[in-house]
Amino acid sequence: AQTVTQSQPEMSVQEAETVTLSCTYDTSESDYYLFWYKQPPSRQMILVIRQEAYKQQNATENRFSVNFQKAAKSFSLKISDSQLGDAAMYFCAYRSVAGGAGSYQLTFGKGTKLSVIP
Amino acid sequence: GAGVSQSPRYKVTKRGQDVTLRCDPISSHATLYWYQQALGQGPEFLTYFNYEAQPDKSGLPSDRFSAERPEGSISTLTIQRTEQRDSAMYRCASSLGRGGSKRDEQFFGPGTRLTVL
Repeated sequence: AQTVTQSQPEMSVQEAETVTLSCTYDTSESDYYLFWYKQPPSRQMILVIRQEAYKQQNATENRFSVNFQKAAKSFSLKISDSQLGDAAMYFCAYRSVAGGAGSYQLTFGKGTKLSVIP
Repeated sequence: GAGVSQSPRYKVTKRGQDVTLRCDPISSHATLYWYQQALGQGPEFLTYFNYEAQPDKSGLPSDRFSAERPEGSISTLTIQRTEQRDSAMYRCASSLGRGGSKRDEQFFGPGTRLTVL
């Protein structure tokens, strides 16, 4: 079974600065998807960014980018020019594409709470 | 609808009572998922449906938990004889494809926060 580990329960960043959230995962599969979800105080789950494992190029969405290190099984999220609205819980998630039940479910880490200091 | 909706948003019940939670997925979406999120944790998979079929129940914590999606649209999650450990946020998500597709994104609803006293 796959596992996702977020070793930083809490992080803080000054407004307009850059912060990196860490995520590692364990899998024996070669193809899969990785995700970062944002959960603001409203408790919605919002997809921030997605990475396909077979793509070597790191995904980028505006101020959000990832550093995907497949051999190290590491998937960190970098937030540039942090804004007050970025304050939230951030969850890293894994999804298999190998077929079967694992290709349907998302496996989440425990989350990192990000605070943005004005 | 425009997004995934869930009702009720909050439910408080006494231990031993049965509760039923409802999920209304995005109208064109074939696949529906249920997750349980305990306080301070990430969501954990419970079960999913492809239309009305329920291929995987492996994540349901016990036989007190059951889910159905009889017409392939709205789904309900029922917890019988609730226990305090069932207190959590219950999230529903839906995706366009039949699931397992590489590009199949899951869209989450706002969740139902269940408190068992």
